[in-house]
Amino acid sequence: DAGVTQSPTHLIKTRGQQVTLRCSPKSGHDTVSWYQQALGQGPQFIFQYYEEEERQRGNFPDRFSGHQFPNYSSELNVNALLLGDSALYLCASGTPSGANVLTFGAGSRLTVL
Amino acid sequence: SQKIEQNSEALNIQEGKTATLTCNYTNYSPAYLQWYRQDPGRGPVFLLLIRENEKEKRKERLKVTFDTTLKQSLFHITASQPADSATYLCAPKGSGNTGKLIFGQGTTLQVKP
Repeated sequence: DAGVTQSPTHLIKTRGQQVTLRCSPKSGHDTVSWYQQALGQGPQFIFQYYEEEERQRGNFPDRFSGHQFPNYSSELNVNALLLGDSALYLCASGTPSGANVLTFGAGSRLTVL
Repeated sequence: SQKIEQNSEALNIQEGKTATLTCNYTNYSPAYLQWYRQDPGRGPVFLLLIRENEKEKRKERLKVTFDTTLKQSLFHITASQPADSATYLCAPKGSGNTGKLIFGQGTTLQVKP
């Protein structure tokens, strides 16, 4: 049973460009959350998708947007890239519950030059 | 605002000893507290969940305590092994079916043979 899969694993962009990251959740999961993790820091919550809608959002600008498809997979889009957007972007899936235990993918390492 | 503090300094211990990691939180009344393990370049992996009405939870060599009065959780690894070397993240979470999980910055554990 495949866990959470993310693509691409690594990518390099230049300032001002746009990027799209993709995520397939673990089988049986229907929520997808995205996190940004800078070096030496814990993951920072970007947003969560459930039933194809953004349900909750962290403190990130509108340059960060997302989408969830009917098959529960998800995309994270970042526009007008800044140097500070360089980070590991993690996708996590789960099911709606109070405890919200998450299964994470291996992440997409984004470098902005 | 909600704040989570974990020891930012790496914890170095000898193989066979017990490692104890601390997670303190403020401006928070979590109903759950989760612990995750993260290896370099990988996504976090869920280890244990403890509920606010539980004082202690065990899983093999792992033990977690949760003191809602002190606003603190302790994470213990007994008979530590070099393979336990990783970064450990805590994530307190409130009740309610929300997707947002807030992580501490993590504590890096290094177990020396």
